[in-house]
Amino acid sequence: QSALTQEASVSGTVGQKVTLSCTGNSNNVGSYVVGWFQQISHGAPKTVMFGNSLPSGIPDRFSGSKSGTTASLTISGLQPEDEADYYCSTWDYSLSAWVFGGGTKLTVL
Amino acid sequence: QVQLVESGGGVVQPGGSLRLSCGTSGFAFSSYGIHWVRQAPGKGLEWVTYIRYDGSNKYYADSVRGRFTISRDNSDNTLYLQMISLRGEDTAVYYCARDRGGNYHGPDYWGQGTLVIVSS
Repeated sequence: QSALTQEASVSGTVGQKVTLSCTGNSNNVGSYVVGWFQQISHGAPKTVMFGNSLPSGIPDRFSGSKSGTTASLTISGLQPEDEADYYCSTWDYSLSAWVFGGGTKLTVL
Repeated sequence: QVQLVESGGGVVQPGGSLRLSCGTSGFAFSSYGIHWVRQAPGKGLEWVTYIRYDGSNKYYADSVRGRFTISRDNSDNTLYLQMISLRGEDTAVYYCARDRGGNYHGPDYWGQGTLVIVSS
């Protein structure tokens, strides 16, 4: 059981907007910046968002937000190359550990 | 550019030991904390351990505390993970990842990973 809860799967068509969520509690998501990671075909993860900041080289169709204890990653104008597993993570001060969500498999139809 | 390269993975028997290395380049290694994150076959990402930029603070997941030790050599820009008393559930690809620091403490750049298989 992951400390952070993500949808198991999400799908969308090319050009559509999709939003992935990451729900935690006040010890983690509610208090700290959340990172989002893209993993294509079980290759190395790539950081695509931290908080609402885009790492260099990540297209601006990716955006991040947070409301209370839920963080969100939105992809506007979905592209075939966005098909991947997406994980969220942040620090949990009650556990003194970083925690990950179970991951969301994004399918581009 | 920022690069992290893991090495040292392989097949080890249950109860055995292994030391992983993470060589780095393209950034001021001694100024950044570093994580180890692993992924068991067919499973999600699991955070393993973190070491502060100067080695003064270390954190471990409950699943590895007392068996794994993270360390670093800032003169050689290299991170290490010493693993003892290995179990089947430690079988995974192990990634090292730089911590961004600042207002976001979490991974930003990742290595390609090294595979550890614990099996008799």
